[in-house]
Amino acid sequence: ETGVTQTPRHLVMGMTNKKSLKCEQHLGHNAMYWYKQSAKKPLELMFVYNFKEQTENNSVPSRFSPECPNSSHLFLHLHTLQPEDSALYLCASSLAAGTNNEQFFGPGTRLTVL
Amino acid sequence: AQTVTQSQPEMSVQEAETVTLSCTYDTSESNYYLFWYKQPPSRQMILVIRQEAYKQQNATENRFSVNFQKAAKSFSLKISDSQLGDTAMYFCAFMKRDAGNMLTFGGGTRLMVKP
Repeated sequence: ETGVTQTPRHLVMGMTNKKSLKCEQHLGHNAMYWYKQSAKKPLELMFVYNFKEQTENNSVPSRFSPECPNSSHLFLHLHTLQPEDSALYLCASSLAAGTNNEQFFGPGTRLTVL
Repeated sequence: AQTVTQSQPEMSVQEAETVTLSCTYDTSESNYYLFWYKQPPSRQMILVIRQEAYKQQNATENRFSVNFQKAAKSFSLKISDSQLGDTAMYFCAFMKRDAGNMLTFGGGTRLMVKP
């Protein structure tokens, strides 16, 4: 596969469930990002990882827990979510953060919290 | 903090015609980048065009061009010879130079190209 892939593409979960979103990039990048895209709101940056180190947490609630085991993979672990967390979650990657480079986006995971 | 505003939630244009999408931003920075991203229905967001703030010349990419007015903090996107495949959400975004590649997005404009 090429580019940035995300799985699953769709996820429905209850408020007591625990689930994980996966992102993989095949571009040789070293920076990866999680964004939240809600209806009627601008895309919100959630987390930034640069060379596997978290460099930005944009005041995200602790029920969202990111993990970056290597530069190609990024996870978002979800637990005890709220209905207002329903959104499209987008992953992106770029050459190392701080280098003013273009971000390449994945197709997103459409999350519905019941 | 930076803010990006897209004042047109929805627009439509006839195929082959020209349309301009508006974007304004607020920042105290002097070195930054501006982007237009396109998000087609159920498809990945892709970069359309990029402008460096220190360049006076407006960026162009085939049918896409920008009108960058730094003093007015305005960054509009012009699409010439609109095609059905241009139907998408368009997002304007701001990136401060050397600040971790972090993008600040506008709320988006939904563009419909009609046959």
